[in-house]
Amino acid sequence: DGGITQSPKYLFRKEGQNVTLSCEQNLNHDAMYWYRQDPGQGLRLIYYSQIVNDFQKGDIAEGYSVSREKKESFPLTVTSAQKNPTAFYLCASSTDREETQYFGPGTRLLVL
Amino acid sequence: QKEVEQNSGPLSVPEGAIASLNCTYSDRVSQSFFWYRQYSGKSPELIMSIYSNGDKEDGRFTAQLNKASQYVSLLIRDSQPSDSATYLCAVKMNTGFQKLVFGTGTRLLVSP
Repeated sequence: DGGITQSPKYLFRKEGQNVTLSCEQNLNHDAMYWYRQDPGQGLRLIYYSQIVNDFQKGDIAEGYSVSREKKESFPLTVTSAQKNPTAFYLCASSTDREETQYFGPGTRLLVL
Repeated sequence: QKEVEQNSGPLSVPEGAIASLNCTYSDRVSQSFFWYRQYSGKSPELIMSIYSNGDKEDGRFTAQLNKASQYVSLLIRDSQPSDSATYLCAVKMNTGFQKLVFGTGTRLLVSP
C-alpha cells in the first residue's frame, strides 16, 4: 500500500531533550512538509522540502530542525530550544505538479 | 485579518439535513482551494479540491467557489452522524511553492 507513515504515534520528551519524529512516504512524492497543530488552531507550517537535500523554513521553524537525505524520508527534530513543544505533529507530501497535500497519521508529542 | 477564516462552530444539524460550511480568504490571487475532514485525534484527509468558480460535486459533497467574493463553501447533503468531524479549509497562497494556509476548522455535529 502506498502512503505516509509517521512514528512514533506518541512521544514523550523530557525537559532539555532533543527528540526526532519520523516521516516516511512511498508515494514517490517530491515535496514533503511538517506541520504543527495546537488545540483550536489551524495547521502551522514548520519546514518544507521540495527536493532531496534541500529544505526551507516555514512559519514557525524556531526550535526545530530537519533533514532530507532521501526522497522517502523527512525527519523532524524538536530541539530543547523549542519551549512549548506539546502539540500534534503532522507530516504531509505532494507531487511536484499536483498541489494536493496528503497527510500521515501524526505524532502526538507530550512533555514530561 | 486572518488569511483563511472559518467559523469554529459547532455547527449542529440533524441527520439527513444539508450541512453548509463556509470559508473566506484574504489573498485575491489564490487559485487553489481544498477541504479536509479531520476526525478527533486523527490526521486530516482530503475531501475535495476546487480551482474554478462555480460548483464541484463528488457524491454527497459539493464545493462552491466564488473568487470575486473570496469565499469557498462545502455542502454536505444527507448528513450522517459519521460526518461529525472538523472540516478544514485550505488555500494555496500566491508563493513560489505549494504553501497551503489552513483555517482553524469548523466542527460539525450531526445528530441521529
